Amino acid sequence: DAKTTQPTSMDCAEGRAANLPCNHSTISGNEYVYWYRQIHSQGPQYIIHGLKNNETNEMASLIITEDRKSSTLILPHATLRDTAVYYCIGIIQGAQKLVFGQGTRLTINP
Amino acid sequence: GAVVSQHPSWVICKSGTSVKIECRSLDFQATTMFWYRQFPKQSLMLMATSNEGSKATYEQGVEKDKFLINHASLTLSTLTVTSAHPEDSSFYICSASFSTTYNEQFFGPGTRLTVL
Repeated sequence: DAKTTQPTSMDCAEGRAANLPCNHSTISGNEYVYWYRQIHSQGPQYIIHGLKNNETNEMASLIITEDRKSSTLILPHATLRDTAVYYCIGIIQGAQKLVFGQGTRLTINP
Repeated sequence: GAVVSQHPSWVICKSGTSVKIECRSLDFQATTMFWYRQFPKQSLMLMATSNEGSKATYEQGVEKDKFLINHASLTLSTLTVTSAHPEDSSFYICSASFSTTYNEQFFGPGTRLTVL
């Protein structure tokens, strides 16, 4: 699985867009980028995933660079409930085993 | 949809006793279930992967005789921590997947185990 690098922590104002970067310079052609988040003392929650194209769902948008060496998760209008640790994971589709790094601790401030 | 429950949500036990944690997929059949452990201020660490009706596959360094996993049906997996010790105190989280194609896992709320 691709090694991913994320900032340890970030802050964002409530109502603003939160942009969380992830570097995955060693990602291989068949590895997807998955994002999960974990709110304090809860189980992780799936957010979004993508391979090459940008993706959007009801929770977030995922922007993947053309060379696929990095990506950005965008929470368009962050709320206090978005405060969590966000994990970026590179994994081959169907490989199933998720390897969680340290993630980015995102704090949304009022 | 895709809800996973865990029971109990927290448990306190004495050293040397065994504790069973249940993980249930409430509205889907899980082909695969996973067990993770998370120590304070650390990330999740995968302990084992289990498929219904077959033996669990344990990650390196996880003692299979200490952490017994049973996946008897497509909606239930159990983790038994045998002869628990204080160092086993942790947050145990299960997840379930209904697809062998995609990597989307649905996580339970976790069980906090404290061994005195």
